[in-house]
Amino acid sequence: DQQVKQNSPSLSVQEGRISILNCDYTNSMFDYFLWYKKYPAEGPTFLISISSIKDKNEDGRFTVFLNKSAKHLSLHIVPSQPGDSAVYFCAASATRGAGNMLTFGGGTRLMVKP
Amino acid sequence: ETGVTQSPTHLIKTRGQQVTLRCSSQSGHNTVSWYQQALGQGPQFIFQYYREEENGRGNFPPRFSGLQFPNYSSELNVNALELDDSALYLCASSLTVGVRETQYFGPGTRLLVL
Repeated sequence: DQQVKQNSPSLSVQEGRISILNCDYTNSMFDYFLWYKKYPAEGPTFLISISSIKDKNEDGRFTVFLNKSAKHLSLHIVPSQPGDSAVYFCAASATRGAGNMLTFGGGTRLMVKP
Repeated sequence: ETGVTQSPTHLIKTRGQQVTLRCSSQSGHNTVSWYQQALGQGPQFIFQYYREEENGRGNFPPRFSGLQFPNYSSELNVNALELDDSALYLCASSLTVGVRETQYFGPGTRLLVL
């Protein structure tokens, strides 16, 4: 049973346009969500996070939106750049005191065309 | 500030053998988590260590075991290797000071079991 799903395995956008990556979750206990970017032969790099008490968090070109009622979050990248081409993973955790495991989606491969 | 490092970068083993993977946490971090990433999938949580104690475990058999040392570095040991153990093994460190922590990943160790 996949608790975190990224239904689009790939996404292609033109440089300068907006990239929207989507993620759905089923576990209502999740209260912290993160996005990671992964290049080949590297580990995931943390991008941005959002706690369940917020519905939006912004950091430069990256904005994450959280819709708790729909159990849905999205990552917006504006404007998209060719260097953004990578696999993006959303991850979720449920607070349980010291330490939290991350549950990952399957990833979305973003290709930004020049 | 030193990031998360892992060794070795690549490893080839045969079925039935044992393997030890190593991880050095980011400076100042006291928690380390291990993940297995199979090809084309998101990382899956193996276990987490906090102050040298196992602090949570995913759905992995007991032949996956770990250690955390006083300097917060860590080992992942896998006994009786199976072909399906071939994957990228990721270590992530975090600083557990509150209820929501961000995990920072190393570059991973790619294990191939023949």
